Amino acid sequence: GQQVMQIPQYQHVQEGEDFTTYCNSSTTLSNIQWYKQRPGGHPVFLIQLVKSGEVKKQKRLTFQFGEAKKNSSLHITATQTTDVGTYFCAGRSGGSYIPTFGRGTSLIVHP
Amino acid sequence: ETGVTQTPRHLVMGMTNKKSLKCEQHLGHNAMYWYKQSAKKPLELMFVYSLEERVENNSVPSRFSPECPNSSHLFLHLHTLQPEDSALYLCASSQDRALSALHFGNGTRLTVT
Repeated sequence: GQQVMQIPQYQHVQEGEDFTTYCNSSTTLSNIQWYKQRPGGHPVFLIQLVKSGEVKKQKRLTFQFGEAKKNSSLHITATQTTDVGTYFCAGRSGGSYIPTFGRGTSLIVHP
Repeated sequence: ETGVTQTPRHLVMGMTNKKSLKCEQHLGHNAMYWYKQSAKKPLELMFVYSLEERVENNSVPSRFSPECPNSSHLFLHLHTLQPEDSALYLCASSQDRALSALHFGNGTRLTVT
């Protein structure tokens, strides 16, 4: 079945440093979504990428979808303490609406 | 307010108890999901319902029994659970379209003693 690998599992940064999490799929994806889960909270949808090579930005967050539609990344510029949480990617393939989630990357920002 | 409401928020139960988790969505979605989230494991998909029909069951033990009486409500009936079943149980909903986003509830923190 489809597998979605996400690295790293944890990332400690000093406030102001950049952060990147990577997502790789064993199969070609039709789309990929990113979610954020704050400590003690629930996953919240951030964005969706559909096109090959697509890049989208939300303020300090930059999301990329690979040319082959098998990998994606989330980059945060100049992290803030409000960025703390676990970031999940979720990929879909074959027209299915049921996503496969990566393990998530937990971001810890030290002030 | 997430649009997806789960009750209770916390639940402590013994291994011989029977309890139910409830999820209600107010978003007009037609697909609903149960996920299990443990400290050391990723989000584990348990069940998916689309238009009240179960479309996915990821080899979940029979001590977990889902019920979807209509497209707005989803239950997870629990009986004779094990301590390793302690986890955060998340309900989510979406449209059953490939481009739709999942909307999660706040979850039920379950502790089995």
